[in-house]
Amino acid sequence: AQKITQTQPGMFVQEKEAVTLDCTYDTSDPSYGLFWYKQPSSGEMIFLIYQGSYDQQNATEGRYSLNFQKARKSANLVISASQLGDSAMYFCAMREGGEDMRFGAGTRLTVKP
Amino acid sequence: EADIYQTPRYLVIGTGKKITLECSQTMGHDKMYWYQQDPGMELHLIHYSYGVNSTEKGDLSSESTVSRIRTEHFPLTLESARPSHTSQYLCASSDLQETQYFGPGTRLLVL
Repeated sequence: AQKITQTQPGMFVQEKEAVTLDCTYDTSDPSYGLFWYKQPSSGEMIFLIYQGSYDQQNATEGRYSLNFQKARKSANLVISASQLGDSAMYFCAMREGGEDMRFGAGTRLTVKP
Repeated sequence: EADIYQTPRYLVIGTGKKITLECSQTMGHDKMYWYQQDPGMELHLIHYSYGVNSTEKGDLSSESTVSRIRTEHFPLTLESARPSHTSQYLCASSDLQETQYFGPGTRLLVL
């Protein structure tokens, strides 16, 4: 069964606007971590933000915030004030218990000028 | 800031050649990983290591092998490259929070 689901293969956003990238996950383990990575066309994976399952508040890192809705098992990434350099693939990932990290299929974000 | 390095960045090689993709990190992380990724697609774990002399196979069957003789070094070897091995290979290491930090990747083309 798919552990991480990203339902948006591609997204477009106008420069300076906010965009939400969806991620849902499946786990029965009460302890898990959720991650978002950015992959530009150059290929490297850049860590953006982390949310622990026991964290009470949504994680934020600069223009990135994670909308964590535990009951719905969703961990959407919100990028505020989009910039042209935000155009990239974005991967949601989860690590539960002693398991390996699982990645979603990714969402390609294109920021329009 | 993560310090993890991969060489070469790009490699074009003929079928049947033996290749080693290098990965090293200066963060003292015990856990290291190798992923294979086709362009625009999801990552597949092919090998991981929890420390020196520890190596395990990941979810994706791979004809490659790895070694972990030193904490900072986790090379991946293909004994006989084939066109089906053409892909990007990403190395990562993780901290105590299990956040994985990635190297820049090696893009391999086997002719």
